[in-house]
Amino acid sequence: AQSVTQPDIHITVSEGASLELRCNYSYGATPYLFWYVQSPGQGLQLLLKYFSGDTLVQGIKGFEAEFKRSQSSFNLRKPSVHWSDAAEYFCAVGARGNKLVFGAGTILRVKS
Amino acid sequence: DVKVTQSSRYLVKRTGEKVFLECVQDMDHENMFWYRQDPGLGLRLIYFSYDVKMKEKGDIPEGYSVSREKKERFSLILESASTNQTSMYLCASSTLVGTQETQYFGPGTRLLVL
Repeated sequence: AQSVTQPDIHITVSEGASLELRCNYSYGATPYLFWYVQSPGQGLQLLLKYFSGDTLVQGIKGFEAEFKRSQSSFNLRKPSVHWSDAAEYFCAVGARGNKLVFGAGTILRVKS
Repeated sequence: DVKVTQSSRYLVKRTGEKVFLECVQDMDHENMFWYRQDPGLGLRLIYFSYDVKMKEKGDIPEGYSVSREKKERFSLILESASTNQTSMYLCASSTLVGTQETQYFGPGTRLLVL
């Protein structure tokens, strides 16, 4: 069965510092991978997605993610974090039938 | 612009009440989904639908039912609300075009069952 692990429940970084959020997936075939962000009290917004091709994917708000098949990982990165990036981040893998399986989420706190 | 709306942002109900959560999308999407979100558990799929009058159980369908009478509208029904159904409920939609398309989410309904 498909599964997604986000090992970090909370992460705190200083404003201007770099960020990496980890995501590991389990899926038998070529995965479709997504990162979503949820600001407090809001729904989920798509940051970026990987379907095929270049393993380094660029998204909105300056985020990028790299697909590494050998490590079953799809880590999210940003070179310089802004206070407005504080939110909860979800990694998801596309399962059969257009369904998504989500990780438990990582809450990002940004300190000034 | 893509839009998924949910009928209520916050809802307070009593145990045993029948609860309706409504979701409407304006993108002519075939697929619609209902998730619940709980701290530390991420999003879990309750039900989904590929077409009008069609529904499939997700991972946690117990205590819920759904209705899709029109393509743009997908309703989640709690037949007899219980306190363990207190949660955030998120609706999403996607198109069938392509093998795996992006899901677009509504703002969520935070339900409190007393």
